[in-house]
Order: sequence, then C-alpha cells, then structure tokens
Amino acid sequence: DTGVSQDPRHKITKRGQNVTFRCDPISEHNRLYWYRQTLGQGPEFLTYFQNEAQLEKSRLLSDRFSAERPKGSFSTLEIQRTEQGDSAMYLCASSYPTGGKLGDTQYFGPGTRLTVL
Amino acid sequence: QKEVEQNSGPLSVPEGAIASLNCTYSDRGSQSFFWYRQYSGKSPELIMFIYSNGDKEDGRFTAQLNKASQYVSLLIRDSQPSDSATYLCAVNGNNRLAFGKGNQVVVIP
Repeated sequence: DTGVSQDPRHKITKRGQNVTFRCDPISEHNRLYWYRQTLGQGPEFLTYFQNEAQLEKSRLLSDRFSAERPKGSFSTLEIQRTEQGDSAMYLCASSYPTGGKLGDTQYFGPGTRLTVL
Repeated sequence: QKEVEQNSGPLSVPEGAIASLNCTYSDRGSQSFFWYRQYSGKSPELIMFIYSNGDKEDGRFTAQLNKASQYVSLLIRDSQPSDSATYLCAVNGNNRLAFGKGNQVVVIP
C-alpha cells in the first residue's frame, strides 16, 4: 500500500493523559498536513510541514499540541493533558508541490479516532 | 462568514438520477478547488479538483467552477447506492485546505 498511513487507528484515553499519533506520508510527498474533524463538520487545518520545517500552525493548535517531522519523512502529533473536547478524528494528508499558485492535491490517510473519557 | 459554505441538507436521490451539490467560498483569490467523498467513519477520498472556470468531467462526476460568482458545484450522474456518502467541498488557500461542512447524499435503490 503506497498511500498515507496513520497509527493508531483508534485511541481511547482518560482525561489528562498524553497521546501521540504517527503519520507516514506517500513516499515522494514532501508536504505533510494535520487536520482535525469532529462529527458533522469538515476537517479543520491544524499544521503543515514542508520537509522537516513546520511552516504554519493554526490557532486551533493550542500549546498542549505539538507536531514534529524530524527527518522530513514521518510526522508525530502529540496532545498533552488531553481534554474531552479533544475527542475527534485526526487526519493526516500529504502532497507533492506542483508549484505556482494552484496549490497541491492533498491525499488523506485513514485517520486516528481519539476518544477522551 | 465561513470560508467555505455548503448549506444544503441531506440530499436523497433515486438510483440512476443526477445528484447536484453546491458550494460557495469567500476568498475571491482562491485558485484551486476540490471535492472529496467521505463514507461514514472513514477519511476523505479525493474525487476531483478543478482550477479553471467551466466544467470538468471525470466519469460520472462533473465539477463546475464559476469564479465570478464564487461557487463550485458537483454533479453525480447515474447515481448508484455506492455514491451514498458525505461530499466535502474544499478550497486551497496558502497551502491549507478550507472545508465546508459537507453534504450528505443518500441514493435510494
């Protein structure tokens, strides 16, 4: 399978615990994105990497959230001191830059569903 | 005003009919537009992208873009039960996708 992969697919945790998710992008894609999706809503942008550089972070990414992409390949998203409001589907996407103003086509992984009890 | 709006409620269409979905966006400078399909409990799957005004066809799907009116639409011809899903409109701005809430389509056999 050469698509975007995410691990774990499901995570149940208790409030206050820390959780970490992993995303492996499509191999030739150097851009990687994290989104969060709650029930009945479209995905919301969290952050974006080009290679290992984190180029943009949303206001949604509070100081309890941190994302890394240390070698420009896989990425991790950590949530510290989880809250019930963090319960959502966390989606990773990757793309290959096409250049110009058109923007890249992003392909999504299967997501990690987080439930905070 | 939200960046991307999909206001229609659930759409029920008979099998074989045409499903029509609309989306409006607020950033007049937006250049690229995407439709994703999302089955319940699954992640978004890319259906089509469109950059230029007019129509773009891919199989049973047609995307239409009107930049002057700031809307994008998706037509699904010969709807099949497997088309029953939520369809998400997305607009690319500054390397991030802004999504609408989605429109649920139910194809009735």
